[in-house]
Amino acid sequence: DAMVIQNPRYQVTQFGKPVTLSCSQTLNHNVMYWYQQKSSQAPKLLFHYYDKDFNNEADTPDNFQSRRPNTSFCFLDIRSPGLGDAAMYLCATSRGFTDTQYFGPGTRLTVL
Amino acid sequence: AQSVAQPEDQVNVAEGNPLTVKCTYSVSGNPYLFWYVQYPNRGLQFLLKYITGDNLVKGSYGFEAEFNKSQTSFHLKKPSALVSDSALYFCAVRDDGNAGKSTFGDGTTLTVKP
Repeated sequence: DAMVIQNPRYQVTQFGKPVTLSCSQTLNHNVMYWYQQKSSQAPKLLFHYYDKDFNNEADTPDNFQSRRPNTSFCFLDIRSPGLGDAAMYLCATSRGFTDTQYFGPGTRLTVL
Repeated sequence: AQSVAQPEDQVNVAEGNPLTVKCTYSVSGNPYLFWYVQYPNRGLQFLLKYITGDNLVKGSYGFEAEFNKSQTSFHLKKPSALVSDSALYFCAVRDDGNAGKSTFGDGTTLTVKP
């Protein structure tokens, strides 16, 4: 059974058109993360939630926002996608900060 | 500050031979160390971790890793490689005093040839 689910798996948007990526988990984990990964490079942490506590990485552009309405769901909003935002976006969860992270399959975003 | 290095972009081995994927780290506190594998167009899958205890950690799919504190290394190993092990491997470290953030290495592409 899938534990971390990301929808959609592939998303195409136009330059400047807002887009929302979705992540849900069945693990009841406290922590949820969003990563950006380009061209098989190291995943880059954008932000994370511990329960409702939000932590934004210092170098995450303002164009990226996140919402976590409940334990199970977390959303990544890109307000005005640029060509440079085309990437794989990975959601992950963990019980606590020192525990194993479980990753979803990712959403590949294409910006036209 | 914490950092992790995977010195090899690519590792090539023949099927049936042992494989090693190298990882070194730097943390100010105690390290939590992880290995993940990524297949094309998929998310990362957890292989194994070191938190404390025995320096030799056994994980999924026959992989193991040895924590070496003096050399600040956590190399991933497997005694006999399979073609299906071909993938991208990431080492990650978290400082026990750095809540919330793991640092990933740049990844090593493992190719196992028949």
